[in-house]
Amino acid sequence: GAVVSQHPSRVICKSGTSVKIECRSLDFQATTMFWYRQFPKQSLMLMATSNEGSKATYEQGVEKDKFLINHASLTLSTLTVTSAHPEDSSFYICSARDFQGGSNQPQHFGDGTRLSIL
Amino acid sequence: AQTVTQSQPEMSVQEAETVTLSCTYDTSESDYYLFWYKQPPSRQMILVIRQEAYKQQNATENRFSVNFQKAAKSFSLKISDSQLGDAAMYFCAYRSRGSGNTGKLIFGQGTTLQVKP
Repeated sequence: GAVVSQHPSRVICKSGTSVKIECRSLDFQATTMFWYRQFPKQSLMLMATSNEGSKATYEQGVEKDKFLINHASLTLSTLTVTSAHPEDSSFYICSARDFQGGSNQPQHFGDGTRLSIL
Repeated sequence: AQTVTQSQPEMSVQEAETVTLSCTYDTSESDYYLFWYKQPPSRQMILVIRQEAYKQQNATENRFSVNFQKAAKSFSLKISDSQLGDAAMYFCAYRSRGSGNTGKLIFGQGTTLQVKP
C-alpha cells in the first residue's frame, strides 16, 4: 500500500539551529502534502498545505518565515524550522494523498518527527 | 469553516466489552468525508474507518463500526470486543469533498481510550 516516509524521526539540537524535516511519498505522486504539529496529548494542528511547484498555504497564526516549506517534486516536501527555539519543540507529522487515485483516496501519514530544542 | 468536536477527553472500557466514542461536527457542505484515526503510543496515525457523507449505510470494519447521523452531524465510533491493543488516542476528522478543495483534514480534540484487562 501507499507509504509516506518522514525523516528524521528524532532531532535534538541547540537553540538557534535550523532543522530540516523531509516527507516523501514512496509509491505515489503527491501534488499536495500537509504538515501538522502536535503537542503532547493534544490534537493535530494543520500548519500548512504544501503544493508542488508553488508556494505553500499557511494556516492562520503560523509564521511563514519561521517554518519554511519547499515542495520541489511530486514525491518530496520539506519543512525547515529556522532558528529553532525551545518553544518550537514538538511532534511534527506530514501526510500526503494520492490525488491521481480520485477524491476518495485517504491521507497517508508519516511516522512523525520529535523535535527537541535545548 | 468546518469544526470537529470530541467531547470525551478520556474513556475506559473493560477488555471484551463495547465502547462508543462520540464526535460531532459542523459544516454547511453536503458532500464530505468523515474519518476515525487511531494514534497509539508510537504516535503513528492509523486509519480506522471512513464514511462518505452521501452514503446512508454506516461503515463497518471488523470490530469497528460507526453511527453516522447526517442531520444531527454526529459520527460516533463503536468498538466491539475491545482488545488491549485498542488502547490509544482516537481522532475524528472531517474532509471536504467538493472540487477545488485541498483535501486537508480537520481533526477533533481526540479521545484517549484505556482498555482494562
